Amino acid sequence: DTAVSQTPKYLVTQMGNDKSIKCEQNLGHDTMYWYKQDSKKFLKIMFSYNNKELIINETVPNRFSPKSPDKAHLNLHINSLELGDSAVYFCASSQWANGLAEAFFGQGTRLTVV
Amino acid sequence: DAKTTQPNSMESNEEEPVHLPCNHSTISGTDYIHWYRQLPSQGPEYVIHGLTSNVNNRMASLAIAEDRKSSTLILHRATLRDAAVYYCILCRSGNTGKLIFGQGTTLQVKP
Repeated sequence: DTAVSQTPKYLVTQMGNDKSIKCEQNLGHDTMYWYKQDSKKFLKIMFSYNNKELIINETVPNRFSPKSPDKAHLNLHINSLELGDSAVYFCASSQWANGLAEAFFGQGTRLTVV
Repeated sequence: DAKTTQPNSMESNEEEPVHLPCNHSTISGTDYIHWYRQLPSQGPEYVIHGLTSNVNNRMASLAIAEDRKSSTLILHRATLRDAAVYYCILCRSGNTGKLIFGQGTTLQVKP
């Protein structure tokens, strides 16, 4: 039973399209995150939600909009996709404990914009 | 946020111990030292964390210097499956839980 699952695993799309990546966790955690790993393999946080409230927004373009319908889900919607959005996107979750709890990551979604 | 410094890459032989160093000279008193690793084509995976005392778990050991300005992740017997990028990350108590990843150490394990 996968703890943090993301769909789709691969996504190839054209510039200008709108796409969504879904994330679900079955660990009962109350905090979820989106990270981006670029072509140079640097991992950087994008967003974090705690109990469906946005707590981190790391100067990500407005074209990126996270949506958390409940504590177990954090979806990422991207409008007007650009070539530079090509990356691997990781969803993660943790149980809030002064920010010290271990995070569990999904397998990633490789987004390719052509 | 305090920074960490790690060697870009290290090599090890299979079934030998591996010591992965991390420098964090600007660490503050409320910073915990976390280690994650990322196996090829997978998401990062938690390994271990500590504050002041050395820590052991089923995956690894964490040795923390007395002044806390450096730490070492110890894999007691490296296997081929341990080949990964290892990240040393400082997490401040009371922060938002975000992880700030550096470039990490790419560990190669030779058979």
